[in-house]
Amino acid sequence: GAGVSQSPSNKVTEKGKDVELRCDPISGHTALYWYRQSLGQGLEFLIYFQGNSAPDKSGLPSDRFSAERTGGSVSTLTIQRTQQEDSAVYLCASSPLGSNSYEQYFGPGTRLTVT
Amino acid sequence: GNSVTQMEGPVTLSEEAFLTINCTYTATGYPSLFWYVQYPGEGLQLLLKATKADDKGSNKGFEATYRKETTSFHLEKGSVQVSDSAVYFCALSDHTKAAGNKLTFGGGTRVLVKP
Repeated sequence: GAGVSQSPSNKVTEKGKDVELRCDPISGHTALYWYRQSLGQGLEFLIYFQGNSAPDKSGLPSDRFSAERTGGSVSTLTIQRTQQEDSAVYLCASSPLGSNSYEQYFGPGTRLTVT
Repeated sequence: GNSVTQMEGPVTLSEEAFLTINCTYTATGYPSLFWYVQYPGEGLQLLLKATKADDKGSNKGFEATYRKETTSFHLEKGSVQVSDSAVYFCALSDHTKAAGNKLTFGGGTRVLVKP
């Protein structure tokens, strides 16, 4: 079946612009996660959704970062007034919470470059 | 808070050599432990997992045993192949409801297998 998809695969933006990153999880997966992979910080958690609510936003690095999820499916991560330190690969993962499996299935990522 | 420490790379090996990547963790409670792998140009994939103490995860010739007494989850493979060249990430998930099984990753270990 279809895996987790993310768009765009690459995004180059100018400092100060806003960007939106999209994640389509595996159908039926109730849990959705955003992570960031950068050279300086490694792989770090950003936010977790259970359905449309976000019980854990503790990883969002600043109030320029926000995310939403609609219909228990697609999620959008928005970064306002981008800075060069936002350059990273943004990964989305989904998981069938409620089962005995704790596996998270990762998408291919969106590579964001802020110039 | 939770943390994962794994040996820094790169690790360079010859084909058929024995591979060990050390991983230790700090966590409250009893987390699940994972090894994820990222092959060149590909997304993160689950390699193996263990959900309780003394469990052994195994896949594709790789093994790791959940050692609660030493808080470790070292990855081993008896005979590596060139196709095992990748970046390996050790990770844990916290099962508290708020955390929703979010993953905490180690810094990653790059492995290069030469023919």
